[in-house]
Amino acid sequence: EVQLVQSGAELKKPGESLKISCKGSGYSFTNYWIAWVRQMPGKGLEWLGIIYPGDSDTRYSPSFQGQVTISADKSVSTAYLQWSSLKASDTAMYYCARRDTNWYSDYWGQGTLVTVSS
Amino acid sequence: DIQLTQSPSFLSASVGDRVTLTCRASQGIGSSLAWYQQEPGKAPKVLIYAASTLQSGVPSRFSGSGSGTEFTLTISSLQPEDFGTYYCQQLKSYPLTFGGGTKVEIK
Repeated sequence: EVQLVQSGAELKKPGESLKISCKGSGYSFTNYWIAWVRQMPGKGLEWLGIIYPGDSDTRYSPSFQGQVTISADKSVSTAYLQWSSLKASDTAMYYCARRDTNWYSDYWGQGTLVTVSS
Repeated sequence: DIQLTQSPSFLSASVGDRVTLTCRASQGIGSSLAWYQQEPGKAPKVLIYAASTLQSGVPSRFSGSGSGTEFTLTISSLQPEDFGTYYCQQLKSYPLTFGGGTKVEIK
């Protein structure tokens, strides 16, 4: 069974750093792209970027380039999303999702709620 | 970036109604479009990909059509479990943008 399991909710202060994770299982992790999607409270879905764990090829949305860093460690079948200096506006639910060969997201993680507040 | 505009933004309909949601792209994307349903507090779930291909396990009352810049998602007979927000996503080129969503309420 394909599963993406994300790390737990985080409460951080502005200016702090953070790295959240998404662990894949039940399939060949290195052969499928993993995307990250943001959902701010009460708002729609926003595509942040995507990584191919096989060679760490990464693409970012221009809106998020430089704001976040996407990485992967294929030895532990895990993708990551990180911030070096959080802002209150980073408060959101973050989802990882596997990209199917037809490019749609067929499996999603359960989401990680990130709250940034002083 | 390719922009997607969904309409309406909100829809209230009765069980058994035929419902049509629209997604318009800012430039031609062929058939490179997917539709997702998101229930409150849950991750999105894919319904349709390649504009009209039903994902395995999705009820046949859902159907998709369109190509180029205009796409529709139709629910032939709305069921109580169909509430939630529906999003389209273009799969033509990075960034893989989403539409703003249509919230469906069951009357």
